Amino acid sequence: KNEVEQSPQNLTAQEGEFITINCSYSVGISALHWLQQHPGGGIVSLFMLSSGKKKHGRLIATINIQEKHSSLHITASHPRDSAVYICAVSGDSNYQLIWGAGTKLIIKP
Amino acid sequence: GAGVSQSPSNKVTEKGKDVELRCDPISGHTALYWYRQSLGQGLEFLIYFQGNSAPDKSGLPSDRFSAERTGGSVSTLTIQRTQQEDSAVYLCASSLGAAYNEQFFGPGTRLTVL
Repeated sequence: KNEVEQSPQNLTAQEGEFITINCSYSVGISALHWLQQHPGGGIVSLFMLSSGKKKHGRLIATINIQEKHSSLHITASHPRDSAVYICAVSGDSNYQLIWGAGTKLIIKP
Repeated sequence: GAGVSQSPSNKVTEKGKDVELRCDPISGHTALYWYRQSLGQGLEFLIYFQGNSAPDKSGLPSDRFSAERTGGSVSTLTIQRTQQEDSAVYLCASSLGAAYNEQFFGPGTRLTVL
């Protein structure tokens, strides 16, 4: 079993839909990261959080430390949101990130 | 300010040749990471530099891979006697400090070994 698991693996939705991507982890963490990778593009850090909720524009990230679970939400989705969304965690005593496999999101116009 | 830059953006080489990939981190960032991403796969950690400390090389897949970081800034990843399975995108990231800090990624170098 992977230490960081994301679901769904693939997600296709229509423009305007509310999107939720989930991340569960099984290790102790100091922080959880959500990153975005566009096709053929680099990786952009979206959020780093260790508790509660963060919001940036149409993106919202939440984390429940007790349940070892995080969600990334996209409101009013747009085709430009199409990308791979990656969850990664920083371990308690380790600077290395443990990476999820990513969720490939396609938003159709 | 400028982000993380990497060069070259693309590199095509023949099997058995050596290649050097360069990473310029964000100025002031003491931590630098190298990752590899094979086609359709997730990121694979290769090596980590933090300030003047000895690097963590635990992710390097073989002794053909090496990396150095001169003056705590620019880093070079060297792959000797390249093999076809080395073909991947090599990504560099930097962060302000050691643990828990947000990593900023470069655009990557796409390496193709023929």
